Amino acid sequence: TQLLEQSPQFLSIQEGENLTVYCNSSSVFSSLQWYRQEPGEGPVLLVTVVTGGEVKKLKRLTFQFGDARKDSSLHITAAQPGDTGLYLCAGEESGTYKYIFGTGTRLKVLA
Amino acid sequence: GAVVSQHPSWVICKSGTSVKIECRSLDFQATTMFWYRQFPKQSLMLMATSNEGSKATYEQGVEKDKFLINHASLTLSTLTVTSAHPEDSSFYICSAAGWTGTSNQPQHFGDGTRLSIL
Repeated sequence: TQLLEQSPQFLSIQEGENLTVYCNSSSVFSSLQWYRQEPGEGPVLLVTVVTGGEVKKLKRLTFQFGDARKDSSLHITAAQPGDTGLYLCAGEESGTYKYIFGTGTRLKVLA
Repeated sequence: GAVVSQHPSWVICKSGTSVKIECRSLDFQATTMFWYRQFPKQSLMLMATSNEGSKATYEQGVEKDKFLINHASLTLSTLTVTSAHPEDSSFYICSAAGWTGTSNQPQHFGDGTRLSIL
């Protein structure tokens, strides 16, 4: 069974600080997605990365896919309270549309 | 953007009841739908993958007879929790992936169903 470990599990920071969330696996994925989930709601897709080494930016969020397509990182610059939520990475098993979710990182940004 | 509707959003029922949850893709053909389970403060655990017109593929450890999945059309999949017990209480989320007619749609999630068994 493929496993995606996220670190840290929990993170509480002050508004304006930077942070990085890591998503690691021993398996290779066709693509990797990052989601943010609010309590009581479904996950919302932030980005999909496909190519090894790919970097994508979404405003203050920077996503990177590892060269070997086994790991990924999410960096948030100048975090805001609105960034609070559960961040999930999900790796796609090759050619299946099937995604395995990471263990999750719960972020709280204090005003 | 693609929209996936999940219904109901909240169910409270007595032990022994069977509960049906619907997942609909509103503006694209969902050739594949996924059902996940999420415990409080935890990540999503994939339960099963369903392809339209064929039997669902269940993940290891998920009871097929407990969690019945039907994907009879390109816009609808249902999950029925049979003879539910308190340990089945959880947040169930579906997602759908498929084709809009012009492009592939990666998975989009419904808003989830919170199931509470008394």
